[in-house]
Amino acid sequence: QEQLVESGGGVAHPGTSLTLSCGASGFTFKTYAMHWVRQAPGKGLEWVAFIWFDGINKYYADSVKGRFTISRDNSKNTVYLQMSSLRAEDTGVYYCAGDPPSSGYALDVWGQGTTVNVSS
Amino acid sequence: QSVLTQPPSASGTPGQRVTISCFGSGSNIGRETVNWYQQLPGTTPKLVIFGHNQRPSGVPARFSGSKSGTSASLAISGLQSEDEADYFCSTWDVNLNAVIFGGGTKLTVL
Repeated sequence: QEQLVESGGGVAHPGTSLTLSCGASGFTFKTYAMHWVRQAPGKGLEWVAFIWFDGINKYYADSVKGRFTISRDNSKNTVYLQMSSLRAEDTGVYYCAGDPPSSGYALDVWGQGTTVNVSS
Repeated sequence: QSVLTQPPSASGTPGQRVTISCFGSGSNIGRETVNWYQQLPGTTPKLVIFGHNQRPSGVPARFSGSKSGTSASLAISGLQSEDEADYFCSTWDVNLNAVIFGGGTKLTVL
């Protein structure tokens, strides 16, 4: 069964850093592009970043560009999101999601989410 | 403000057919495939339509998608109470080099 499990969320002060992890199982992780999507309380979905299956190319939303870094370790079936210079508006549930080959950015596997609360 | 525009709400009665629209532009829907996600209250988003009108395994045939020009639609026929959820359209934007989501439509089954 395809599964993604996020970890690393918590409370952070503005301006500090936090790293999220997402472990995959039940599918061929190394063939999937991986994304991070977040959802502020009571709001819609906001795409954050994505990384190609081989880790070569990475793309970011303008709201996090220069502050967040996505990476992956295919030997560990894990994708990461390093978040720095955190702001209050980064608060929300962060989901990792899998994008199978040739799917047209269709995210067909989602984790349960990890909550980030940026507050002073 | 989202690049993709969806109505904030929609409603229907059991058994009815409802459609949810998603309006974009030539740099996104006009060039790329559209995907739709369902988010039941308090749960993780779930892919229900990809590639304009394909359903992942397990998604009922009552769900269908279509695209015309720079807009797309999700249709749900034979509406059921379990379909009450938030629905989001999504695609790639070639100018932004980003995945984009619509603002979401809250579907209420009356």
